[in-house]
Amino acid sequence: DSGVTQTPKHLITATGQRVTLRCSPRSGDLSVYWYQQSLDQGLQFLIQYYNGEERAKGNILERFSAQQFPDLHSELNLSSLELGDSALYFCASSVGSSGDGNTIYFGEGSWLTVV
Amino acid sequence: AQTVTQSQPEMSVQEAETVTLSCTYDTSESDYYLFWYKQPPSRQMILVIRQEAYKQQNATENRFSVNFQKAAKSFSLKISDSQLGDAAMYFCGSSSTLGRLYFGRGTQLTVWP
Repeated sequence: DSGVTQTPKHLITATGQRVTLRCSPRSGDLSVYWYQQSLDQGLQFLIQYYNGEERAKGNILERFSAQQFPDLHSELNLSSLELGDSALYFCASSVGSSGDGNTIYFGEGSWLTVV
Repeated sequence: AQTVTQSQPEMSVQEAETVTLSCTYDTSESDYYLFWYKQPPSRQMILVIRQEAYKQQNATENRFSVNFQKAAKSFSLKISDSQLGDAAMYFCGSSSTLGRLYFGRGTQLTVWP
């Protein structure tokens, strides 16, 4: 158990719908990362938050948005869903904000299936 | 940006034998860290080992060790005394100063009894 909690574990929704994925980082971790893992794209970095502020942005679509709340949990909002958005979405967390050796720990992921 | 390349989509090893998974990376940063993560069928991402780029000594974690060649930008993972439970997808990763991880495409390791 990495200590990173993600909900829901599985989600099936229809095209055009909107979903919210939730993540609670490990106790004491200030950084939260979101990754998308699909069969043909591998592990893609979406976005990083540090202590409530956006720190880095990757290949995140405009239909997607995220935020980190004062209690440090994070939500990833996916809207106008398309079939191609079906993937495993990982949340990860680390203590700090920079690559100073902070190990990134991953949650178990949220399986999203768009039908 | 950083790139990570894993040139072996699949590898296999006999139980109790040794296998080496290859990884090369490219970065313009002077300070970075390298990781190997394991993803079993459960899809959980599990940290196997990490290496600080400024350290010359290769990292070791029990049966797992790395061969870090900084000049060649190579970071291979050696698994000794392979066990059935080692069967998984292995991802090599490199972290930037921003903290985000760049991953390779992964190597699927099969362990034969």
